[in-house]
Amino acid sequence: AQRVTQPEKLLSVFKGAPVELKCNYSYSGSPELFWYVQYSRQRLQLLLRHISRESIKGFTADLNKGETSFHLKKPFAQEEDSAMYYCALLYAGNMLTFGGGTRLMVKP
Amino acid sequence: DTEVTQTPKHLVMGMTNKKSLKCEQHMGHRAMYWYKQKAKKPPELMFVYSYEKLSINESVPSRFSPECPNSSLLNLHLHALQPEDSALYLCASSADEGTGNQPQHFGDGTRLSIL
Repeated sequence: AQRVTQPEKLLSVFKGAPVELKCNYSYSGSPELFWYVQYSRQRLQLLLRHISRESIKGFTADLNKGETSFHLKKPFAQEEDSAMYYCALLYAGNMLTFGGGTRLMVKP
Repeated sequence: DTEVTQTPKHLVMGMTNKKSLKCEQHMGHRAMYWYKQKAKKPPELMFVYSYEKLSINESVPSRFSPECPNSSLLNLHLHALQPEDSALYLCASSADEGTGNQPQHFGDGTRLSIL
């Protein structure tokens, strides 16, 4: 069965510090992974997808099939990065399963 | 228009009421979804429509009845709900899966409270 695990419910860092939000997945097929972000009182937004290998708002994420991970990283956190982050696995064309989410708090 | 629009934003209803949630997108997406999100939890998939046909029902109770009148609209009809059905209901859409796995775009949600 497919599963996404985000081990940290809460991650608190100071402004300017590096950030890594962990995501591990379990899936027998070829994974399609995403990071979604939900800022306070805003809708769930797509942040990154692994297939595009791009950097959005300074965030990057690399798919590591050997470790079945898709960790989200940013070298220097900003206060406006404070939000809820969900890692998600897309399978069977249009089935999306989410990890439990990590709340990132960036302190001034 | 690159948004998924949901109405109403908030809904309070009694357990005997009948109400409907509405979702609209004009991005030409052919797959639409309903999710349920409880507080401090991730969204959970309820239904998937592909080309206006119900393709997936994740064992959702029959008091939730989805409807897809056309490619831009998705409704969720509610009847005889229970207090535990109180949650944020999210609608999402994505492009044709035949062009590769496509990301889903979410609406703001309808916050539903059952009295």
